[in-house]
Amino acid sequence: EAGVVQSPRYKIIEKKQPVAFWCNPISGHNTLYWYRQNLGQGPELLIRYENEEAVDDSQLPKDRFSAERLKGVDSTLKIQPAELGDSAVYLCASSYQAWEMNTEAFFGQGTRLTVV
Amino acid sequence: QKEVEQDPGPLSVPEGAIVSLNCTYSNSAFQYFMWYRQYSRKGPELLMYTYSSGNKEDGRFTAQVDKSSKYISLFIRDSQPSDSATYLCAIDNAGKSTFGDGTTLTVKP
Repeated sequence: EAGVVQSPRYKIIEKKQPVAFWCNPISGHNTLYWYRQNLGQGPELLIRYENEEAVDDSQLPKDRFSAERLKGVDSTLKIQPAELGDSAVYLCASSYQAWEMNTEAFFGQGTRLTVV
Repeated sequence: QKEVEQDPGPLSVPEGAIVSLNCTYSNSAFQYFMWYRQYSRKGPELLMYTYSSGNKEDGRFTAQVDKSSKYISLFIRDSQPSDSATYLCAIDNAGKSTFGDGTTLTVKP
């Protein structure tokens, strides 16, 4: 079975440009997470979805970041406009029924964004 | 102060050594305690998780939790070069995981 699939793997853009990342979670996983991982740091949660609903977006910078998860499957994360400080690895993860008990979150390989 | 503090690295040990990786946390509401391994340019993968104080063993890996001290540890016995990676502790509360900043381990043959 395929794991969490993210694309693109790498992206280099100029500041002020828009960028979008795509995530396809593991089939049947209703919980989807977007994390940002800065160099030398652990992942920080940006947004968590339970099916189509964003249940925790408290750490998402809403002035420039947006996310959607249509039909409760694939998800996209967008930044517009990008700033130099947005350079990081953006990780998508999915799990099954996170609200009932702790279940393992499976991570994709991430999208490495460089803003120049 | 961060909710989860992890001993900074990097750590370099010879093959066969016992490795100890440590984290402390501040929020007593945390319920689940996890260790992830992250190879370079890969996403984290779950190594072990536990929800109670005490030890949990899986092969060469032992996770230890002391809720009274808010301290968690991961021990690796007979370390191998393939264990070279960044190890992240993570603590979960109601489906939200908070990660430490990771400790990079190198096991030299």
